[in-house]
Parts: sequence; structure tokens; C-alpha cells
Amino acid sequence: QVQLQESGPGLVKPSETLSLTCTVSSGSISSYYWSWIRQPPGKGLEWIGYVHSSGSTTYNPSLKSRVTMSVDTSKNQFSLRLSSVTAADTAVYYCARTRSLYFYYFDYWGQGTLVTVSS
Amino acid sequence: QSVLTQPPSVSGAPGQRVTISCTGSSSNIGAGYDVHWYQQLPGTAPKLLIYGNNNRPSGVPDRFSASKSGTSASLAITGLQAEDEADYYCQSYDNSLSGPFVFGTGTKVTVL
Repeated sequence: QVQLQESGPGLVKPSETLSLTCTVSSGSISSYYWSWIRQPPGKGLEWIGYVHSSGSTTYNPSLKSRVTMSVDTSKNQFSLRLSSVTAADTAVYYCARTRSLYFYYFDYWGQGTLVTVSS
Repeated sequence: QSVLTQPPSVSGAPGQRVTISCTGSSSNIGAGYDVHWYQQLPGTAPKLLIYGNNNRPSGVPDRFSASKSGTSASLAITGLQAEDEADYYCQSYDNSLSGPFVFGTGTKVTVL
């Protein structure tokens, strides 16, 4: 079955840019949507945005001004960049495959990676 | 901020039936969009439990079922087991500025 693995720095300084990559294995990245979802410690889930294998993107309106997502089909990877981070961006970041049936749901998730924003 | 409201916690004894509500509005569940449910065991990533209102992925026990009516949805767990102790989240599509994808506030299920 499809496996996803997040990677990137676990510590980012305030005002800098958070960068994460998700590597997809045991399946192709093509023809699917791929999302980033985050969860602050002890809190609920927040969808950040998705990128299609074609490169098209849709972002959460509340984060849109700071988010950039991209895909590299040759490496079976997709990425997240979140600029001007603050302590409020401290969270576990998950990548997830996004199915477009039934108005979209997330069927495979990575294990998550904790990103702490601190100086 | 979540636009789908769930009770913070529910509890039940082993073997009992518990239900979790998910209350939305006319811009999400009430607009006819499907509801999906996720189970998050302690310290792990969320796992898809129910998709498309009441469809179970392969491997999910039929003890889990869900329904939708009006602006709300609910998840039922029958024959509650110790391994069901987890956080549960509903998720739907939203056509307002909160969207497009929104999650519920989450419900902690405790097995007594």
C-alpha cells in the first residue's frame, strides 16, 4: 500500500521559512492530489493545502499568503514552504493522499513530523 | 478555527455503543457535502475510518458506522473495545471562506 514519509528541519526560527518534503513510496504520485495537514500540540487538525501531480494548487485561505506547494513527479515527492513563521506554526505536520471522490478525503497519511518554531 | 463541532469527549464501557456527533452548517454538511471520519490513536497519525458518509475502507471493522442528516453527521461505535480509545475527527467540504476542507473539533473516546 501507499506509504508517505515527511522530512525536513524540526526547528525553525521565527520569521524564517518552514520547508518540508513528503516522499511517496509503493505507489505513483501521478493523477492524485496531495495535501499537507497540521496539528498543534494537544489541538485539532488543520488542512493547509494541496497540490495535484499536474502542479495545480489550492490553499487554505487563512494561510494562503504564506504557503507554497510544489511537486516533483520524477522523485515521487511533493513539498511545503510556509514563510514568516511564528510560534503559532509549531505543530506536527502530516502529508496525506487526497482522493477527489465524495468531495475529497484523505486516505493515506504520513507518520507526521514535529516542527517547532523557536529562536 | 474548526467549523464542524464535536463533543470534546464521550465514554462507555466495553461492549457498549457510543455515538459522536458532528454539527456543521449550510456551507458544509447542510449543503450536501459528504462527511468522512478519522481515528487517531495516541501518538500516531490519523487513519481514515469512514469515507463518503458511511463507507469503510478495507480492514475497518463493521463495528464502526456513520450517518448524515441535515447539517449534522454522527459516528457510532458498537461493541466498544479497549483498542477504540482514541481521538475521532469528522471532515467535510466547505464552500465558504473557511474551506475548502474543514475538520471537526475532535472527540476523545474513553473506554471505561
